[in-house]
Amino acid sequence: DIQMTQSPSSLSASVGDRVTFTCRASQSIDTYLNWYQQKPGKAPKLLIYGASNLQSGVPSRFSGSGSGTDFTLTISSLQPEDFATYYCQQSYSNPPFTFGPGTKVDLK
Amino acid sequence: QVQLVESGGGLVKPGGSLRLSCEASGITFSDNFMTWIRQAPGKGLEWISYISGSGGAKYYADSVKGRFTISRDNAKKSLHLQMNSLSADDTAIYYCARGERGLDDAFDLWGQGTMVTVSA
Repeated sequence: DIQMTQSPSSLSASVGDRVTFTCRASQSIDTYLNWYQQKPGKAPKLLIYGASNLQSGVPSRFSGSGSGTDFTLTISSLQPEDFATYYCQQSYSNPPFTFGPGTKVDLK
Repeated sequence: QVQLVESGGGLVKPGGSLRLSCEASGITFSDNFMTWIRQAPGKGLEWISYISGSGGAKYYADSVKGRFTISRDNAKKSLHLQMNSLSADDTAIYYCARGERGLDDAFDLWGQGTMVTVSA
């Protein structure tokens, strides 16, 4: 099975900061990489699909890039509502669909 | 409105069984594959099961294979997960989610989750 890793596991940032976190797949997954945001007590929400495509309704400060094994999610200017945990997920081997362990973004 | 609503969670003893349901509204249910994902307390997301739009193809994570059974009733717009031989490791919030082929198989619609607690 394809394994997913994310780094860092957590980061502290301030409102207005540009933040970037990474996701790595254990083998090439082309661009079948999706990003989800999860806030405490809530279901995950799809942000980015196909590595770089913004899901409808998601603010343009979110962007994704990468292909093959290495991917990044960038928030250009962190907003108060962006403090959450972010998960990457591969949909290349569909199924199984593997999630990364997550990156938690909290207030510095 | 467009939504998925899970039900059926609760407290069950080790070795017991539980059946989860996910009711869809506002969508053409049979157009999409569906999945179950779970999240143990304080942990990350774990995909556990998939079913195709027709119900003809089913897949399971190794952690639940042979114990859980996924099914769907397209006429009733409902998805189910029959869970048998439950253990403490199955304690989690269980989410149903819709898979969208047009979005590279991403999960674009999620339910609110239902909590399953396995404890004596």
